[in-house]
Amino acid sequence: EVQLEESGGGLIQPGGSLRLSCAASGFSVSAYYLSWVRQAPEKGLEWVSVIYVGGTTYYADSVKGRFTISRDNSKNTVFLQMNSLRGDDTAVYYCARVPRSHWYFDLWGRGTLVTVSS
Amino acid sequence: QSVLTQPPSVSGAPGQRVTISCNGSSSDIGAGLDVHWYQQLPGTAPQLVIYGNNKRPSGVPDRFSGSRSGTSASLAITGLQAEDGADYYCQSYDSRVTGYVFGTGTTVTVL
Repeated sequence: EVQLEESGGGLIQPGGSLRLSCAASGFSVSAYYLSWVRQAPEKGLEWVSVIYVGGTTYYADSVKGRFTISRDNSKNTVFLQMNSLRGDDTAVYYCARVPRSHWYFDLWGRGTLVTVSS
Repeated sequence: QSVLTQPPSVSGAPGQRVTISCNGSSSDIGAGLDVHWYQQLPGTAPQLVIYGNNKRPSGVPDRFSGSRSGTSASLAITGLQAEDGADYYCQSYDSRVTGYVFGTGTTVTVL
């Protein structure tokens, strides 16, 4: 079955770090663009980051310099390293797949909740 | 980061037609970049219902349709059904900041 499964969320204090994982099954992460999208409680969707097939990465201004996206092809997994976490980073973080040379998200994981609070 | 503007809510009776607008700018929709639409049922992940402005993924009912013109796009749902009650988001790409942008979201209520 083709799917994405996020893990690594939890409660973290402001200023802390957390690493999210997104394990893919049924397809190879090396053949697709993979992205992270977040949704704060009762709010809309916000794009966070993307990693392209060649390894190029892009970030939303709100996380640039604090978050790092990476990929391990051998584990078929994408990661999001989040540093210097703030209260407004509290959200459900979704991993989403982007077909190559297209700009939409055709497959989503169920999400993992990150809560930044003291 | 820019966002696309949608009405907060729309409603309609079963069987009626509703439309959701999505207003962008010259750096996203107006630059000729495609618009895509997602449905999010309560407590679940978003699901693609329209891609490439007007294409439906396999399994999406043909009562869902999309269009794009100028700096705007719209999603139409004809023959509204109770199961269509959800949040809907448009999405495009912002060439100015090389990033993806989402709409503000619209809640569809089936009366």
